[in-house]
Amino acid sequence: DTEVTQTPKHLVMGMTNKKSLKCEQHMGHRAMYWYKQKAKKPPELMFVYSYEKLSINESVPSRFSPECPNSSLLNLHLHALQPEDSALYLCASSQVAHTGELFFGEGSRLTVL
Amino acid sequence: GEDVEQSLFLSVREGDSSVINCTYTDSSSTYLYWYKQEPGAGLQLLTYIFSNMDMKQDQRLTVLLNKKDKHLSLRIADTQTGDSAIYFCAEARDNFNKFYFGSGTKLNVKP
Repeated sequence: DTEVTQTPKHLVMGMTNKKSLKCEQHMGHRAMYWYKQKAKKPPELMFVYSYEKLSINESVPSRFSPECPNSSLLNLHLHALQPEDSALYLCASSQVAHTGELFFGEGSRLTVL
Repeated sequence: GEDVEQSLFLSVREGDSSVINCTYTDSSSTYLYWYKQEPGAGLQLLTYIFSNMDMKQDQRLTVLLNKKDKHLSLRIADTQTGDSAIYFCAEARDNFNKFYFGSGTKLNVKP
């Protein structure tokens, strides 16, 4: 199993809603990542979890709250988002301290109204 | 991407070779990567090269690395319409915890 599965694939939410994005991998990877990708732009790193602990937060606003309940799951909780937060949110995983190759999910496309 | 640059577009005819270029700035990068992104999809790792190598070949893909000039290229031989996508180079920093992607090159393959 070399898949990273993200749900939902599409999400539309209002600025007062609370929603969550979910990511799952069963490759035994111990590093998991959230990236944000705007249209026609490269992915931008948001968070890194290493061995279920948050190791990097790239100065992401607190309206995005990551959570890593176990080594296979990664969530991104969303609250009070802005329309400019509309983007494709990509989850990825990798072996820690290996070649570092990332395995990406297909992304959750978020629209904030 | 932070200090990783690529040209934005490349258009080739089916059967021709494509060469996508990338310039990076962190000379301490140990590995450099090429990812492919098809419309509406996530990124797929194509290949990577270790920094002590000059070249790596993998079927139709050839990666060339010039460490002195911090220049990386991806050559796709016999380009097919299915190769149409955006190609990102990336470098790993901070013990592979941070990947910085280039701006992406959109490859258009004409029949």
